[in-house]
Amino acid sequence: AQSVTQLGSHVSVSEGALVLLRCNYSSSVPPYLFWYVQYPNQGLQLLLKYTSAATLVKGINGFEAEFKKSETSFHLTKPSAHMSDAAEYFCAVSDRSNNDMRFGAGTRLTVKP
Amino acid sequence: EPEVTQTPSHQVTQMGQEVILRCVPISNHLYFYWYRQILGQKVEFLVSFYNNEISEKSEIFDDQFSVERPDGSNFTLKIRSTKLEDSAMYFCASSVTEQGGSGELFFGEGSRLTVL
Repeated sequence: AQSVTQLGSHVSVSEGALVLLRCNYSSSVPPYLFWYVQYPNQGLQLLLKYTSAATLVKGINGFEAEFKKSETSFHLTKPSAHMSDAAEYFCAVSDRSNNDMRFGAGTRLTVKP
Repeated sequence: EPEVTQTPSHQVTQMGQEVILRCVPISNHLYFYWYRQILGQKVEFLVSFYNNEISEKSEIFDDQFSVERPDGSNFTLKIRSTKLEDSAMYFCASSVTEQGGSGELFFGEGSRLTVL
């Protein structure tokens, strides 16, 4: 069964600094990988997804993630943090055979002025 | 743009009462899901549903839970006798058309259940 591990339950950066949220996956088959963002009291919004095309995936709000098979990683980055990026970020993996999606524990991003 | 809709957005109930959470998935999707998020915790898989039957369920999805697609549009989650620990946000999702899918699940805004 597939799973993801998010390193760091809480990340704090200064406005304008690099954002790096870590995600490692485990899957017995080539996975689909996703990052979702959740703002307070809201639902899950898809940031970006990897589905076996380009390994560097660009998403909304200036975020991107790189699929690295050798490291089983799918870390999320953004060159310059904005105050509005403060939210909970979830990495997720799904199995191509059954489409069931599994989420990581989430990383809360705080952006300091 | 098509979206998954959920009702109610918030329900408060007494312990032991039955609750039904409703979802209208995207119309041409074939797979349907329920996930749960206890406040401040991770999003947990409950159940997936395909071709009018459960295709997979987690340990959380015990005999107190059931799902149903009573007509061509609704997908419901029933909790037979609610417990305090059922208080959570419940997310419905759908995916995959006849033409296939990319594994992406489309989520509703969630239904917050508070059990007193």
